[in-house]
Amino acid sequence: GGIITQTPKFLIGQEGQKLTLKCQQNFNHDTMYWYRQDSGKGLRLIYYSITENDLQKGDLSEGYDASREKKSSFSLTVTSAQKNEMAVFLCASSRAGQDTQYFGPGTRLLVL
Amino acid sequence: QQKVQQSPESLSVPEGGMASLNCTSSDRNFQYFWWYRQHSGEGPKALMSIFSDGDKKEGRFTAHLNKASLHVSLHIRDSQPSDSALYFCAARKATNSAGNKLTFGIGTRVLVRP
Repeated sequence: GGIITQTPKFLIGQEGQKLTLKCQQNFNHDTMYWYRQDSGKGLRLIYYSITENDLQKGDLSEGYDASREKKSSFSLTVTSAQKNEMAVFLCASSRAGQDTQYFGPGTRLLVL
Repeated sequence: QQKVQQSPESLSVPEGGMASLNCTSSDRNFQYFWWYRQHSGEGPKALMSIFSDGDKKEGRFTAHLNKASLHVSLHIRDSQPSDSALYFCAARKATNSAGNKLTFGIGTRVLVRP
């Protein structure tokens, strides 16, 4: 078994601020993902990474940057937080060629 | 248009009853389907996958796939209060050259009444 850790658990930011979310996994999975969850909109893919130093844009990449520093970690940056924004950011991982994705508990973002 | 559509939006069932959830894809390239469950305050967790036509049973959960109509369903038998959660249908295309990109529906919220 393994675990995905996301930090911080809660993030409160100011409009225009640059915010960074971090994700660590000890599954030794090759592929990692960042999703955004909004009420009534399901999960939308922001970025994913097939291997260390690889980055692929998802459907919602505008306004975000990502970095795969090493196999076990994947960071997401909100480049300019939008006022009244509220969402949950979920990190996930999977083995190369294996489809089941394992999710972390999420980071809850609120922008004042 | 949402490429993976789920119905109903919410569902209330009595404890011990049967819950039935539906999912339809509008993209014929989606051939592989998953059901994920998310309890409040947690990340989603994979319940089961289904890739072939017909039924797949795992304990109290049965998934059914009809590839011709791109319809997949999930039935929860003998529903328990712990089954109260948000259920997502997710789909992947048959050819996926990079990563394992899944497309998620917006979810069905299930409430099991004691």
